[in-house]
Amino acid sequence: EIVLTQSPATLSLSPGERATLSCRASQSVSIYLAWYQQKPGQAPRLLIYDASNRATDIPARFSGSGSGTDFTLTISSLEPEDFAVYYCQQRNNWPLTFGGGTKVEI
Amino acid sequence: EVQLLESGGGLVQPGGSLRLSCAASGFTFSNYDLSWVRQAPGKGLEWVSGISFGGVNTYYADSVRGRFTISRDNSKNTLYLQMNSLRAEDTAVYFCAHDMGGTYNRWGQGTLLTVSS
Repeated sequence: EIVLTQSPATLSLSPGERATLSCRASQSVSIYLAWYQQKPGQAPRLLIYDASNRATDIPARFSGSGSGTDFTLTISSLEPEDFAVYYCQQRNNWPLTFGGGTKVEI
Repeated sequence: EVQLLESGGGLVQPGGSLRLSCAASGFTFSNYDLSWVRQAPGKGLEWVSGISFGGVNTYYADSVRGRFTISRDNSKNTLYLQMNSLRAEDTAVYFCAHDMGGTYNRWGQGTLLTVSS
């Protein structure tokens, strides 16, 4: 099973600041990594798929990069609605696995 | 618009059974793979099971294999998860998700399963 390790566990920032979230895989997942945002009491929402492709209706301030074992989600300038938990997920190998999450808080 | 609506959650005793349903609309149901993903209270996401668009291929996490069965009825646009031999560690919100080759681009709102005596 591929283990995805997200860091940091918590990121304390202010609106307008840049957020950089990391996801490291225990073995290569090629480019097959996605990022999701989840707010309390809500379902996850797909932000980025295949490492760097924004999903439909996702603002341009969200960007993804990386390949192999190291991936980054960047939020260029935090909006108030961006404070949430972010998960990475790989689809390169069964079973599909998720990272433990990074909470972005004010 | 893609919509997924789960139902069937509730309180079950350890060792008991329950079936979850996920009613879909807004897309051609029979053309897409679907999955179940769960989230224990205060925890992260865990993929549980997936099924191919025609229902021929099914996939399970090791933690549920042999106890859970995924199925679908394409004539009713509905996905199911039959859960047997339930354990306390199965307590979670269960989401159904529209599966685009292992990427989940639409999710239901989830249904809560609590396994407790």
